[in-house]
Amino acid sequence: DQQVKQNSPSLSVQEGRISILNCDYTNSMFDYFLWYKKYPAEGPTFLISISSIKDKNEDGRFTVFLNKSAKHLSLHIVPSQPGDSAVYFCAASASNSGAGSYQLTFGKGTKLSVIP
Amino acid sequence: DTEVTQTPKHLVMGMTNKKSLKCEQHMGHRAMYWYKQKAKKPPELMFVYSYEKLSINESVPSRFSPECPNSSLLNLHLHALQPEDSALYLCASSQTRSTRLTDTQYFGPGTRLTVL
Repeated sequence: DQQVKQNSPSLSVQEGRISILNCDYTNSMFDYFLWYKKYPAEGPTFLISISSIKDKNEDGRFTVFLNKSAKHLSLHIVPSQPGDSAVYFCAASASNSGAGSYQLTFGKGTKLSVIP
Repeated sequence: DTEVTQTPKHLVMGMTNKKSLKCEQHMGHRAMYWYKQKAKKPPELMFVYSYEKLSINESVPSRFSPECPNSSLLNLHLHALQPEDSALYLCASSQTRSTRLTDTQYFGPGTRLTVL
């Protein structure tokens, strides 16, 4: 059972426009959410996170929105740049699950291509 | 500084070899992790160390043996691996939980392992 879902395997966006990557989760115990960016054959790079006590977090061109009632979060990149082309993973964790709170549950990723 | 380093970058080994992967961080993080990632899949958690003690073992075969000699170092000893163990092995670290909220995991660049 996939607890974190990224239903779009790929997304293409023109340079300068907004990229919106979506993520849905099913486990209501999740209270911390992260986005990672990954280039081929490299480790994931942390981009931005949000805790369940917030509904928005912004860092430069990146904004993450959390809708707890819909169990949905999204990453907005504005403006999109060719260097943003990578695979983006959504991840979630549950801080009150004991030893399990160390575990990140990842989605399958969305490949973003920003076209110059 | 959010750097996690891993050596070697690439490793090719036979099924009878013994080798080790190394991971180092100097961020004062007391939780360290090993993940395995296959192509086009999200990272899969293997082990978690918290305060140099093994906290989680995700039913990993005994041919993978983790070791945490001190708070900055994490090793993964490999012996009698199978070709299906070929993957990108990622190390990560995070603060341990002093508040209710989960802490961000920072990943190293990975070791690309090929088992012949």
